[in-house]
Amino acid sequence: DVKVTQSSRYLVKRTGEKVFLECVQDMDHENMFWYRQDPGLGLRLIYFSYDVKMKEKGDIPEGYSVSREKKERFSLILESASTNQTSMYLCASSFLSQGPQETQYFGPGTRLLVL
Amino acid sequence: AQSVTQPDIHITVSEGASLELRCNYSYGATPYLFWYVQSPGQGLQLLLKYFSGDTLVQGIKGFEAEFKRSQSSFNLRKPSVHWSDAAEYFCAVGEDSSYKLIFGSGTRLLVRP
Repeated sequence: DVKVTQSSRYLVKRTGEKVFLECVQDMDHENMFWYRQDPGLGLRLIYFSYDVKMKEKGDIPEGYSVSREKKERFSLILESASTNQTSMYLCASSFLSQGPQETQYFGPGTRLLVL
Repeated sequence: AQSVTQPDIHITVSEGASLELRCNYSYGATPYLFWYVQSPGQGLQLLLKYFSGDTLVQGIKGFEAEFKRSQSSFNLRKPSVHWSDAAEYFCAVGEDSSYKLIFGSGTRLLVRP
């Protein structure tokens, strides 16, 4: 079974703090994704990566950065957390080979509250 | 730009009743279409997907979906709902030239005993 794990299920941070969200997958997937989930808005793509040290902006990259130093690990960084970044963050991974029809496998999510 | 619309925010059905969740997409070419389910406190799990071939697609947990190009729809169906189907359901469309998925806003399914 594919396993995508996220470092925390719940996180509480203060405005201005630097926040790291970690994601690890064990299926040797090339692609990894970070989404943000908000009620009524569905999932929105923040960043994705198709290889180590490669990254591409998604639809809402402002206020976020990412790091992919190893194939299995993809980190989302909030350089200076703000209250409007309070949300559920979901990581996903998939194979590269088949293109858009590849299934994305999701982690359980990290619910972040910024006070 | 591509978009996905799930017109129903909430749907309530009785256990044992049939279910249809609606999904409409906007995309010029043949889309890659997905249905995912998110149970409470969980990540998303793929139910089924369509990218070519037979327009009626079978998925896990007894779900199926039908691609109708003329209506730009990909509705999810189940003939008899179980209490464990209570969850949030997301329709998504894949972009042809990238790995991005565009998600709808979701439909929350409630199941009455």
